[in-house]
Amino acid sequence: QKEVEQDPGPLSVPEGAIVSLNCTYSNSAFQYFMWYRQYSRKGPELLMYTYSSGNKEDGRFTAQVDKSSKYISLFIRDSQPSDSATYLCATPKGGGSGNTPLVFGKGTRLSVIA
Amino acid sequence: NAGVTQTPKFRILKIGQSMTLQCTQDMNHNYMYWYRQDPGMGLKLIYYSVGAGITDKGEVPNGYNVSRSTTEDFPLRLELAAPSQTSVYFCASSPWGSSSYEQYFGPGTRLTVT
Repeated sequence: QKEVEQDPGPLSVPEGAIVSLNCTYSNSAFQYFMWYRQYSRKGPELLMYTYSSGNKEDGRFTAQVDKSSKYISLFIRDSQPSDSATYLCATPKGGGSGNTPLVFGKGTRLSVIA
Repeated sequence: NAGVTQTPKFRILKIGQSMTLQCTQDMNHNYMYWYRQDPGMGLKLIYYSVGAGITDKGEVPNGYNVSRSTTEDFPLRLELAAPSQTSVYFCASSPWGSSSYEQYFGPGTRLTVT
């Protein structure tokens, strides 16, 4: 079983839609979860990270962790064409703390159509 | 402040050739990483380094070598290139600290082996 599973999509939505991106993970020791955004032909950049269970909000973006079901989600409200990118979930390998190498999901490619 | 820089941006190699992918960061980060990204497959860790003189294998190290003689530089060496090494290679760095979950990525090197 892979440590982090993510549906690669692609996902296409109209502008203004609410987008839900999801990952599942296998190791209950995982505590920190990140979402990276990668524009076409660019390197990934950190969008948000969360610790343990619960929600974290940053503008139009909300990251959610449900440890009971080992499910992590990223919600984008009022999606914009500029949100078109690949979104990768990640977690420190083996549930480690900072600086532990990250394990990434495959990434979900999102297109927001104007 | 350039962040993480990678050279070259693109390269075509013939089977059996060798090359070095260069990576430099100017943020005085202790930790550096090499990933490869194949289409729809997310990021896979090749090698990482926790400081000058210290390196360790990641998930897919075969066919690659690294060295870390300075804090700033972390070159990746491909010996005897094979078509399976066709990929986009990303270098990343992160500062020391138990809460340092953000990795800063370079723009990538697109390598084709034919």
